Amino acid sequence: GGIITQTPKFLIGQEGQKLTLKCQQNFNHDTMYWYRQDSGKGLRLIYYSITENDLQKGDLSEGYDASREKKSSFSLTVTSAQKNEMAVFLCASSISGYEQYFGPGTRLTVL
Amino acid sequence: GDKVKQSPSALSLQEGTNSALRCNFSIAATTVQWFLQNPRGSLMNLFYLVPGTKENGRLKSAFDSKESYSTLHIRDAQLEDSGTYFCAAGDDTNAYKVIFGKGTHLHVLP
Repeated sequence: GGIITQTPKFLIGQEGQKLTLKCQQNFNHDTMYWYRQDSGKGLRLIYYSITENDLQKGDLSEGYDASREKKSSFSLTVTSAQKNEMAVFLCASSISGYEQYFGPGTRLTVL
Repeated sequence: GDKVKQSPSALSLQEGTNSALRCNFSIAATTVQWFLQNPRGSLMNLFYLVPGTKENGRLKSAFDSKESYSTLHIRDAQLEDSGTYFCAAGDDTNAYKVIFGKGTHLHVLP
């Protein structure tokens, strides 16, 4: 088995601030994902990465940057936080696009 | 319209009863995953399916790619089954991406 950890668990930012979320997995999976979940809604794909140093845009990439520094880690940056924004950011990993496993999430609040 | 439609959007069940959740696809789905999101927000993997059926305890899931739907059957519902069930369909245009439905909120009543 393996585990996905996300840091921080809670993130409070100010409008206009650049905010970075981190994800680590020890499954040794090649593919990693970032999703956004708004309250009471489904998950939308922001970025994914097929392998180290690869980046692919999802449906919601505008306003975000991502970085896959090594196989086990995938970071997401909110380039300019929007006032009153509240969402949960979920990281996932898989072997070559097969079954995805999720981390516990980072809850973002922008004041 | 939604490429993955889940129904019903919400459901209340008496403990001990049975139910079925459904996902309909307007894409050529190649795989289906079912998840349960608990009240703390964690997503638990329930099933990963290619066309066919799988069973695990009180849960059973089926995926028919020709008719473009998947079902999740819950037998003898328990209080701990409460939460939001999501299906996610693998898209034949991109092997790495899945498309999520909006979820079914299930409340099991004592």
